[in-house]
Amino acid sequence: DARVTQTPRHKVTEMGQEVTMRCQPILGHNTVFWYRQTMMQGLELLAYFRNRAPLDDSGMPKDRFSAEMPDATLATLKIQPSEPRDSAVYFCASGLYAGQQPQHFGDGTRLSIL
Amino acid sequence: RKEVEQDPGPFNVPEGATVAFNCTYSNSASQSFFWYRQDCRKEPKLLMSVYSSGNEDGRFTAQLNRASQYISLLIRDSKLSDSATYLCVVNPNFGNEKLTFGTGTRLTIIP
Repeated sequence: DARVTQTPRHKVTEMGQEVTMRCQPILGHNTVFWYRQTMMQGLELLAYFRNRAPLDDSGMPKDRFSAEMPDATLATLKIQPSEPRDSAVYFCASGLYAGQQPQHFGDGTRLSIL
Repeated sequence: RKEVEQDPGPFNVPEGATVAFNCTYSNSASQSFFWYRQDCRKEPKLLMSVYSSGNEDGRFTAQLNRASQYISLLIRDSKLSDSATYLCVVNPNFGNEKLTFGTGTRLTIIP
């Protein structure tokens, strides 16, 4: 089965450090989404891309977060500088922009900022 | 009003019982609907899409009521492995891939 691949699976670092999370979408999918999940907030959409173009990053704190898609097989989410409140699970999902299609999630990156 | 609302539960149901969840959505123009399942410390996984005519997949039945703006999920003959959080998911805008996720309903099947 094709899967969305995320790295790293876990990340523990000190506040102020840069964090980069990577995502390889399912081959052939042309939409990519970054979500953050916490116990308090549930799943929040941070940013999404269609055909590598950023379409919506309104859910992302712009001062410290950035999302890019340098090629069709790689999406990145970067936090600089990181803060303890960024601790969460970050999921990448990909889908196919063809009608109303579901999204498929990666295993997530469990981030802890000390 | 939240775009997608679910009863958070928890629902504690004996094995073999039937359980049903409802979910309401606020945007009457919403086009597509899904149920996802999320196990503890795992990623959300698509359980089933919800079609206007209703659809069934084994022990699972999904229904859509556009007039009342809710979708439902029915699980028959529940198994221990059905214990999970069930997320109601709505695409509120045609031509836009953004999905809106409910906060989930937690289900525990009791032996």
